Amino acid sequence: QKEVEQNSGPLSVPEGAIASLNCTYSDRGSQSFFWYRQYSGKSPELIMFIYSNGDKEDGRFTAQLNKASQYVSLLIRDSQPSDSATYLCAVNKEYNFNKFYFGSGTKLNVKP
Amino acid sequence: GAGVSQSPSNKVTEKGKDVELRCDPISGHTALYWYRQSLGQGLEFLIYFQGNSAPDKSGLPSDRFSAERTGGSVSTLTIQRTQQEDSAVYLCASKRDSGGGETQYFGPGTRLLVL
Repeated sequence: QKEVEQNSGPLSVPEGAIASLNCTYSDRGSQSFFWYRQYSGKSPELIMFIYSNGDKEDGRFTAQLNKASQYVSLLIRDSQPSDSATYLCAVNKEYNFNKFYFGSGTKLNVKP
Repeated sequence: GAGVSQSPSNKVTEKGKDVELRCDPISGHTALYWYRQSLGQGLEFLIYFQGNSAPDKSGLPSDRFSAERTGGSVSTLTIQRTQQEDSAVYLCASKRDSGGGETQYFGPGTRLLVL
């Protein structure tokens, strides 16, 4: 079983819609959860992280964490074509904050 | 600049040759990571260094791969006797400390092509 799982997509949404990206993890000891965006041919860059149950909002982005169900999601409101990228979910664990476990990423296409 | 830098940005080599990839982390960052990303794939963890602790080498795919970090700063990833399946983008990242809410910052990567 993989540590972190994501649907590879592609997920296609029209411009202005809400894009919902999901990630599940297998270890209940997972502590911090990160969302990275990776444009084609570029390196991953952090969008936001969350470590408490519930929602965390930053501009058009909202991360949602549900530890009981072991999933974390990223909502992108008012999606723009510039949001088209691969979104990577990563976790680290309470007994080792140095090691990150990455999902394989979900490709998002926002159509004008 | 203040970010993670990697060199070379691109490397083409012949099968069987050795290559060295370099990473300069953000100044003061204690943790340094190497990942590999094949075309269209996710990040494959290779190795990380944290301060003066022994590195976690659990992701190195074979004994042809090795890495060192000198003086707690610059790191070199060495691939001996390269194979075509080693072709990928090699990403380096650094992290400020061992705190739970700290993220990694990625370098631009080295694109390795083994002919």
